[in-house]
Amino acid sequence: GAVVSQHPSRVICKSGTSVKIECRSLDFQATTMFWYRQFPKQSLMLMATSNEGSKATYEQGVEKDKFLINHASLTLSTLTVTSAHPEDSSFYICSVAWHSYEQYFGPGTRLTVT
Amino acid sequence: GENVEQHPSTLSVQEGDSAVIKCTYSDSASNYFPWYKQELGKRPQLIIDIRSNVGEKKDQRIAVTLNKTAKHFSLHITETQPEDSAVYFCAARGNQFYFGTGTSLTVIP
Repeated sequence: GAVVSQHPSRVICKSGTSVKIECRSLDFQATTMFWYRQFPKQSLMLMATSNEGSKATYEQGVEKDKFLINHASLTLSTLTVTSAHPEDSSFYICSVAWHSYEQYFGPGTRLTVT
Repeated sequence: GENVEQHPSTLSVQEGDSAVIKCTYSDSASNYFPWYKQELGKRPQLIIDIRSNVGEKKDQRIAVTLNKTAKHFSLHITETQPEDSAVYFCAARGNQFYFGTGTSLTVIP
């Protein structure tokens, strides 16, 4: 399977600031990465599909201007939460699609907005 | 789009007993069905998967069955151990992945 890292693992920020989360595919080139958010005791909610070299595809209800995604290389995708508010506090997880079927997840980033 | 339902939401079993988690899906075009195990605060980990051209797959104590006609698939864990306690998610992949709502499994020693 694929090895995926995420940074930072935890971040606390003040309301109104922006936070960038990095997702790296360490052992293969990922043309597609996915970003999910997960609230406590809930399932994974797909936010967007990140495509290398092109614009991300956002799921319905996800504000693309608030959750900026940049997939600048085959090994790195970033998610920037702009003007964060307490309701943005969540567990953000990225994943890479390996051989178009299997998904391997990063370790997640716990975002707390105060 | 796809709709994946998962049951039960919580499940407690005695150590050594079997656990079964069931999922249904709606999109007949879905062709890949993975199961993930997620421990508290950690990433989901793929534990087993099945493709639509197969009816059953087994890996040691874990097995998955798929009924394409009825559009449901199940995870079976035999001889459960305390370390099996976690949240389990099913998923179905058509054009994209859709996840079930999760089952919190507790194995009582």
